[in-house]
Amino acid sequence: QQQVKQSPQSLIVQKGGISIINCAYENTAFDYFPWYQQFPGKGPALLIAIRPDVSEKKEGRFTISFNKSAKQFSLHIMDSQPGDSATYFCAASKGTGRRALTFGSGTRLQVQP
Amino acid sequence: SQTIHQWPATLVQPVGSPLSLECTVEGTSNPNLYWYRQAAGRGLQLLFYSVGIGQISSEVPQNLSASRPQDRQFILSSKKLLLSDSGFYLCAWSVRGGADTQYFGPGTRLTVL
Repeated sequence: QQQVKQSPQSLIVQKGGISIINCAYENTAFDYFPWYQQFPGKGPALLIAIRPDVSEKKEGRFTISFNKSAKQFSLHIMDSQPGDSATYFCAASKGTGRRALTFGSGTRLQVQP
Repeated sequence: SQTIHQWPATLVQPVGSPLSLECTVEGTSNPNLYWYRQAAGRGLQLLFYSVGIGQISSEVPQNLSASRPQDRQFILSSKKLLLSDSGFYLCAWSVRGGADTQYFGPGTRLTVL
C-alpha cells in the first residue's frame, strides 16, 4: 500500500511538445503529492506539488493533474525545452510526524532540439 | 536562506571497510532529517529519518546506521561495507511540524569495490 507507480520509464519529446508523466498510488491516506526534477549527479529539486483538495495546479509550463477517485496524478510539461531533459520523480507522503516521501521509480525525459 | 551540505561528494571504498557520510543543514532549527539511497536508474529509498537529536528511525533492515549528534547534523555510518551498499546517498530536510516540502542535498556517490 506504500507504492507509487510511475510511467513511462523513459520519454523522448521534440522541442515545443508536451511531456506527460503519470503516477498511480494505492494508499488513500496520502495527502501530499510532489514532483521532483533531478539532473545527473545532483540531488532532486522540488518542481511542483499538489494536495488532493484540488484537481489541477499550474506553475509556468508545469501542471499537475490530480484524479482522487482514480488515485492517479500526472505531470504535464508544456512547450518542452532541451533544458527540461532530466529525470522526474513523483512522490507521495501522508500523515504527521516523519512525513517521509514514497517515490516513484522515475522517468528519464529527453527533449530533442 | 537554508542550505544543506553533504560530504564527501564521491567515495570509493573496499568491501568490509567502514563508512561515515555527513550531512549538515544551515539556516533552520529543529528540522526533520532524512537519509535516502538511490540505486542506479532507480527511485529513492528512505533509509532513516530523525525528528530530533538522538531520535533515529530506521525504515529498512541493513548494515547501515544513522546518528544525529547535533540538531542540524545527520551522519550515516557502516562498520563493514557490502558491495550492495553502492549507490547515491541523499540527505534531505524538512520543517518539523510545518510544510511537507523536503529539500535535498547534493548527494554522495559511493562505490564499494
